[in-house]
Amino acid sequence: GAVVSQHPSRVICKSGTSVKIECRSLDFQATTMFWYRQFPKQSLMLMATSNEGSKATYEQGVEKDKFLINHASLTLSTLTVTSAHPEDSSFYICSALLGQSPSYEQYFGPGTRLTVT
Amino acid sequence: GDSVTQMEGPVTLSEEAFLTINCTYTATGYPSLFWYVQYPGEGLQLLLKATKADDKGSNKGFEATYRKETTSFHLEKGSVQVSDSAVYFCALSDYKLSFGAGTTVTVRA
Repeated sequence: GAVVSQHPSRVICKSGTSVKIECRSLDFQATTMFWYRQFPKQSLMLMATSNEGSKATYEQGVEKDKFLINHASLTLSTLTVTSAHPEDSSFYICSALLGQSPSYEQYFGPGTRLTVT
Repeated sequence: GDSVTQMEGPVTLSEEAFLTINCTYTATGYPSLFWYVQYPGEGLQLLLKATKADDKGSNKGFEATYRKETTSFHLEKGSVQVSDSAVYFCALSDYKLSFGAGTTVTVRA
């Protein structure tokens, strides 16, 4: 099956520093990847759509200068949380899109737990 | 816009009990429908899917049928195990995924 990895799985950083999270599709190429944020006991909130070779598309209310997304290759997208603050602490999950309309499927990474102290 | 309404939890069951999680959707087109499962501290795993009306998705004893007339995609399993304890998300997609709120299921031995 399609496998998506994320690195790191957990990260603790100090307020004001930046953190980069990597999302890789291991056995398929993904033109499109998605980044989600999940708060405890809540559903996933889509942050942005990452397209290889072009700028990411951010959902309303998501600060693009704070959450920098780079999709430099067909197997790698990165999310950088810049100048992190405690309120950015969350579980970040990526997914990679596979298939064609109407049979799209998203395969999810295992998530990254970010704690900002 | 497209949206998913999912049965609120939490749901607590005994082993071998029957599980149903209700899911209804609102969509302008003909989206694909999915059930995802999330185990503690992990990402989401695709449990099953259906791409058109009357399709039945099934996997690991779970089933769900795409009902266009009732705009529903209820998840069922006839005999749950402790290992089925997780959070279950109903979702629809015409490219982006719209998720339901999630239902926490706990199965007791």
